Amino acid sequence: NAGVTQTPKFQVLKTGQSMTLQCAQDMNHEYMSWYRQDPGMGLRLIHYSVGAGITDQGEVPNGYNVSRSTTEDFPLRLLSAAPSQTSVYFCASSLERGGPTDTQYFGPGTRLTVL
Amino acid sequence: RKEVEQDPGPFNVPEGATVAFNCTYSNSASQSFFWYRQDCRKEPKLLMSVYSSGNEDGRFTAQLNRASQYISLLIRDSKLSDSATYLCVVIPNTGGFKTIFGAGTRLFVKA
Repeated sequence: NAGVTQTPKFQVLKTGQSMTLQCAQDMNHEYMSWYRQDPGMGLRLIHYSVGAGITDQGEVPNGYNVSRSTTEDFPLRLLSAAPSQTSVYFCASSLERGGPTDTQYFGPGTRLTVL
Repeated sequence: RKEVEQDPGPFNVPEGATVAFNCTYSNSASQSFFWYRQDCRKEPKLLMSVYSSGNEDGRFTAQLNRASQYISLLIRDSKLSDSATYLCVVIPNTGGFKTIFGAGTRLFVKA
């Protein structure tokens, strides 16, 4: 199993550009999430999905869109990049939700810089 | 006040030392608790869940104190490979999908 994969690993954008961060998992997990990690702050939830076709907003959704057409894939779209979106982005998946066995498996991350 | 607070450190300890981290949380209705480990420029990985009765996994012991609203992680006989950032994670009992990550405590174990 590859687990959770993310592409690209690094990306530099100019302000106003759009792009899609890719995330895929091969563990047949229903739950998938996107987080951003900034220095001195905990990971913050951007969007999440509880199954194919079902997505919802997290804590910091503005400027991002998601879709979940299959169980495996959960891409994150930046609509019009801003310097405030410079961050490390992690995708995660989990089999369960909320209990003590709720283990989130993270992808390797995408380091995004917006100039 | 942050919902989950951790001392950012860094904690600098020699090999073989015992080190402990605490993490406080503000929502008394919090449901589940975890410690994740994050190596430099890598993704977080689950270290252990924290159960009400406390739990141990080799050199690592996690405790939950609901009355004082904190969880702790004790590492005995520290190894160089324990150097990492330790993230406290809390899932509140509010329904939905909320997961709260602490900003992490950095540990450096020196030879």
